[in-house]
This record gives sequence, C-alpha cells and structure tokens, in this order.
Amino acid sequence: GNSVTQMEGPVTLSEEAFLTINCTYTATGYPSLFWYVQYPGEGLQLLLKATKADDKGSNKGFEATYRKETTSFHLEKGSVQVSDSAVYFCALIINDYKLSFGAGTTVTVRA
Amino acid sequence: EAQVTQNPRYLITVTGKKLTVTCSQNMNHEYMSWYRQDPGLGLRQIYYSMNVEVTDKGDVPEGYKVSRKEKRNFPLILESPSPNQTSLYFCASSLGGGRFEQYFGPGTRLTVT
Repeated sequence: GNSVTQMEGPVTLSEEAFLTINCTYTATGYPSLFWYVQYPGEGLQLLLKATKADDKGSNKGFEATYRKETTSFHLEKGSVQVSDSAVYFCALIINDYKLSFGAGTTVTVRA
Repeated sequence: EAQVTQNPRYLITVTGKKLTVTCSQNMNHEYMSWYRQDPGLGLRQIYYSMNVEVTDKGDVPEGYKVSRKEKRNFPLILESPSPNQTSLYFCASSLGGGRFEQYFGPGTRLTVT
C-alpha cells in the first residue's frame, strides 16, 4: 500500500538556523505530494504541494522538491523563525480521495 | 469567512454512550473527510465523501458511521464508543478530492472513559 515516512522529532532549533525535514514515500503509480503544517491548537493547513516529478513547491520560505528517483519530498527552510514552531506532516495521494499522512515532525524554534 | 466548523470542541463521555460530532463547511465543497490524530501515528482517514449521499471507508472506519445528506454537513457518529476511540478528530473539506487543498476544522478532542 501507499505510505509516508518522516524523520522522527522533535526537532529543536535556534532562530535563523537551517531546517530540513526528511520525507520518503512508497506508492504504486504517480502520487501528488504535500506538506501540511499544524500550529499549536489549530487544524492543519496546506503549506506546499507538488504534483509531478521535479516539481518544486514553495511557500513562506519553505521549499520541497518532488524526487521520483529517490521517492523523497524533503522540506527545507533556510532561516527559521519562532513563528515556524509547529508540527509538519508530509502526505501523498494516488487516487483523488484517499490521503496518506506521515506521523508528523514537531519543530520548536527558540529565540 | 470561509471555514470548517466542528462541534463540540471537547467531549468526555463513557463507554457505549452514542455520540455525534458535527462538521459543517460554508465553501460549497464537494469533498469532505474525517481523520483521527494519534501520537506517533499522524492522521489516519476514517471516512470520506465525494458528494451528497456518496461516502466511502478510509483506513480506520471500524466503530464509526457517517452520513452526507446535505452538501455542507458531514457528521461523524460513534454508535458505541470505546476507550480506544479516545483521540483528536479533524474534519476537512476540499473542492473535489484530496489533490485539492484540504481545509481543516479546529479539531474535536474526544475522551472515552
């Protein structure tokens, strides 16, 4: 079946540090890939997405590139802020209706 | 304001007492879905609905029921809750399926004792 594996957290960083969260997937067919973010006490919000190989999704300084050869979609940000503290979820979809999420990575940024 | 609302936000109940968690969206979205979030497991899909009167099972449907009689509403029903259904539940909606951005409600924290 389809599945997503994320690096385990929690991740603690200082402000302005570089952030990488690894995400790899297993899927039959050609999935669309997503990163969702959950701020404390809230529901999830779409952060970025990519629908085909070599696509780069970007938003709010975050980037992720769909790498078909390594089945990966790693999330990166060059300089994090305290406001980036959240739980980040990698997700994929093959057909149009069933999303598969990773376990989530908790990121804490210290001032 | 475009939003997905859930009620109640917090609920403590006892084993076996039927409950319903409501979900409503005001964006005229066709697709709606329920997830549960548990530590270390991420979000797992319970049920989804492609349109009115069209629903299907997600990955963890056991112990849950849903209905979609109106486009805007997608209630989650626990006929006989058990402690292993203690979790954080999210409803989501989107224009036409998971490839579109999903809009999530604020969550319902359910405790079954």
